[in-house]
Amino acid sequence: GESVGLHLPTLSVQEGDNSIINCAYSNSASDYFIWYKQESGKGPQFIIDIRSNMDKRQGQRVTVLLNKTVKHLSLQIAATQPGDSAVYFCAVPDGATNKLIFGTGTLLAVQP
Amino acid sequence: KAGVTQTPRYLIKTRGQQVTLSCSPISGHRSVSWYQQTPGQGLQFLFEYFSETQRNKGNFPGRFSGRQFSNSRSEMNVSTLELGDSALYLCASSLVGDTQETQYFGPGTRLLVL
Repeated sequence: GESVGLHLPTLSVQEGDNSIINCAYSNSASDYFIWYKQESGKGPQFIIDIRSNMDKRQGQRVTVLLNKTVKHLSLQIAATQPGDSAVYFCAVPDGATNKLIFGTGTLLAVQP
Repeated sequence: KAGVTQTPRYLIKTRGQQVTLSCSPISGHRSVSWYQQTPGQGLQFLFEYFSETQRNKGNFPGRFSGRQFSNSRSEMNVSTLELGDSALYLCASSLVGDTQETQYFGPGTRLLVL
């Protein structure tokens, strides 16, 4: 089955800097990828998704990059703000079902 | 449009008891999935319901069960609670549960088993 891993458990950045959070997946047939943000005491909040027919997708201050060759995706947050402090998860559906396999999460800490 | 709602938000039970958690999906969404989140295991899939039928199931013991009603609302039940069942239980909804549909999560129910 699919497995998903994140490269760093914690990332500390200065307010205003750009943040990059990485994720690796194992199944080369995976065709849909999602990033969620989870603030303390809340459920995961959808940020952005990308399908395998794309290499890059941009949202408001966020960009997701997908490298299918090395089975890696990243979430870039521009001009990081204190409100961006949270745990970020990448998630991938497991094969033919919509069961999501989550990475372990990266805690983003934004220093003022 | 209202988001996914879950009740109750917090629950304290003792070992051996049973508990029922409720989830109301986003209006129009017919697929509801349940996840367990713990510090040690992260987010783990429990099961998915669509059209009142369990369509997918994760690797949890039979003490964990669920159901879905005709209005797509879902409940999950945990019987004979164990200390290790203490967790944040999250439900997520999507339109029909397609593999490329976004799943939207509720705030979760935090269960503490003493």
